[in-house]
Amino acid sequence: AQKITQTQPGMFVQEKEAVTLDCTYDTSDPSYGLFWYKQPSSGEMIFLIYQGSYDQQNATEGRYSLNFQKARKSANLVISASQLGDSAMYFCAMRLDTGRRALTFGSGTRLQVQP
Amino acid sequence: DTEVTQTPKHLVMGMTNKKSLKCEQHMGHRAMYWYKQKAKKPPELMFVYSYEKLSINESVPSRFSPECPNSSLLNLHLHALQPEDSALYLCASSQRGYGRERGDTQYFGPGTRLTVL
Repeated sequence: AQKITQTQPGMFVQEKEAVTLDCTYDTSDPSYGLFWYKQPSSGEMIFLIYQGSYDQQNATEGRYSLNFQKARKSANLVISASQLGDSAMYFCAMRLDTGRRALTFGSGTRLQVQP
Repeated sequence: DTEVTQTPKHLVMGMTNKKSLKCEQHMGHRAMYWYKQKAKKPPELMFVYSYEKLSINESVPSRFSPECPNSSLLNLHLHALQPEDSALYLCASSQRGYGRERGDTQYFGPGTRLTVL
């Protein structure tokens, strides 16, 4: 069974600075996808970025980048130039490409951006 | 357009009531999902529909009854719920429910906050 671990329950960052949110995963399956979602207090889960296990390059989407280290089984999210609107809960998730295809979520990291 | 809509936004119901949650997407996605999220916890999968057929039921109690009338609509019928069923109910959709293209990314709706009295 797969497992996602987010060890930072809460993080603070100053506005305009970069922040890294940690995520490690565990699976014996070679083919999988890793996702990051943002959940503001309103409740909606907003998709941020995706990394496939066979992708050679780290994924980037605007201010978001994913630091993928396959050998270490880590998929950290880097947010550059933090904005006040980035304050939210962030979830790392994984899904296998075969078999049971549901998302497995980590416990989340609450990020607070300070002015 | 990656919009998934859910109605109602908020719902308060008694333990003897029958109500329904509705989810709609017009992205041509063929897989739709129901998740339940308790406060300060990650979402937990309840049901998956793929091509309008129920493909995953995570041993959800029968007081929750999903329905997929067509590829754009997903309902969750609620009956005789318990106070511990109070939660945020999230609907999501993805292109096919299989395949590796962008991991078959799931897009979520804004959720329905359910309170059972």
